[in-house]
Amino acid sequence: QSALTQPASVSGSPGQSITISCTGTNSDVGGYNYVSWYQQHPGKAPKLIIYDVSNRPSGLSNRFSASKSGNTASLTISGLQAEDEADYYCASYASTSGSVFGTGTEVTVL
Amino acid sequence: VQLLESGGALVQPGESLRLSCAVSGFTFSSYGMSWVRQAPGKGLEWVSAISGGGDRTFYADSMKGRVTISRDNSENTLYLQMSSLRAEDTALYYCAKHLGGGRTFDFWGQGTLVTVSS
Repeated sequence: QSALTQPASVSGSPGQSITISCTGTNSDVGGYNYVSWYQQHPGKAPKLIIYDVSNRPSGLSNRFSASKSGNTASLTISGLQAEDEADYYCASYASTSGSVFGTGTEVTVL
Repeated sequence: VQLLESGGALVQPGESLRLSCAVSGFTFSSYGMSWVRQAPGKGLEWVSAISGGGDRTFYADSMKGRVTISRDNSENTLYLQMSSLRAEDTALYYCAKHLGGGRTFDFWGQGTLVTVSS
């Protein structure tokens, strides 16, 4: 099972919006509504920010939103803030292997 | 909710190791659990999952045949038995709780470091 494909890095200025893509196949992203997104700050454990394609956990900022079209899922961060600087990973249920993560995207706030 | 991994160590290639994850704050037997690893400076890689009752297990191809996931619901503890360890297994190993029936990981431990080196 190959990792889902994400851009290596994305950057934006404070207040701007950025979008991170996550591309898979019909056997993972495109086949199930079990796409999730995780934020990971350096030296910290990952934190769930989106589940089941577009749902936010209770208490999470509504600046984070997500969607899916075909085999590609997307995470949008609106009103970019310095604290959003982190690595972001998508993940999906995969029929062939159970679960698969994306390659990860480093978000830089300029 | 708390998850606390332990058991990580420096081992030689070919050796075995058992990781543990002690949990609290939720009804352990009601939720599936997974192990996810992260090699130094690299991305996340799902390793293995187990159902709440422990009757169903799942493994990534990269470690299939070399790892066994198990759980003791009476002790609220998750395990990962690893054998024939290789240098490429060097990573921080996280345990993670599943959210409901899907393969979403809503709570994570802080990880335990496994280093495979001669």
